[in-house]
Amino acid sequence: DADVTQTPRNRITKTGKRIMLECSQTKGHDRMYWYRQDPGLGLRLIYYSFDVKDINKGEISDGYSVSRQAQAKFSLSLESAIPNQTALYFCATREGTGKATQYFGPGTRLTVL
Amino acid sequence: GIQVEQSPPDLILQEGANSTLRCNFSDSVNNLQWFHQNPWGQLINLFYIPSGTKQNGRLSATTVATERYSLLYISSSQTTDSGVYFCAVARSYIPTFGRGTSLIVHP
Repeated sequence: DADVTQTPRNRITKTGKRIMLECSQTKGHDRMYWYRQDPGLGLRLIYYSFDVKDINKGEISDGYSVSRQAQAKFSLSLESAIPNQTALYFCATREGTGKATQYFGPGTRLTVL
Repeated sequence: GIQVEQSPPDLILQEGANSTLRCNFSDSVNNLQWFHQNPWGQLINLFYIPSGTKQNGRLSATTVATERYSLLYISSSQTTDSGVYFCAVARSYIPTFGRGTSLIVHP
C-alpha cells in the first residue's frame, strides 16, 4: 500500500554500523509494527506501538530499538548491526478498533556484511 | 503465544487447477488475515476473516473460529497467483504469522 512507506528500500552495511530504518504512514492509524522476514520463517514481530507514548517488545527485540516520533512515524534502529540481522524488514499499520486489517509497507532489504 | 501452522508448505500446480490452503491456530483469536507475498516481496491483503466465509473473484476463504482453522481456496489458478500465502492471527492486536505456503503455478 502506498499509504505506508519505508526508507531505504535496500541497504548494504558492515558489521558494527548503526542503521536506522524509517516508516511513515498516511492512514491515520495508531497501531504500528516492525517485522523481520527470514526465508522459511514467515514474519516475526520485533516491536509494536499502539500510540505515540506506547512501545512494546515483540518476539525478537534483542539487538533492535525503536522510536515513535509521531503518530505517522515509527523508526527501527540496529545499534550495532551483525550479519544475522540480514533480512527483509516490514513496517505495518493497523486500525485501532473494530476491523483490524494490517497494511504493510513495501519492505526494506537489509544486508549486513 | 499462539502457534500457527500452515499446510502444505509447498504446492506446485498447473495453470487452471484449484487448490486449498489451510491455517490451523492453537488458541482463540479475534482476528485473522490472509496475505499473498508476490515474487517481488510485496505483501498484499487478501482477506480479513476472523470468522465466516468471504469471496473475492477466484479466491475465497472460510474461517471456523470454534475449530481454530481457516481455509483459503484458489480456483482456476493463474501464473500470477505464484508466491507465498501467509495466514496471520491476532489476539489483542498482537499478530502471529504462520510460515506460509509457497505456491508455484506453471503455465
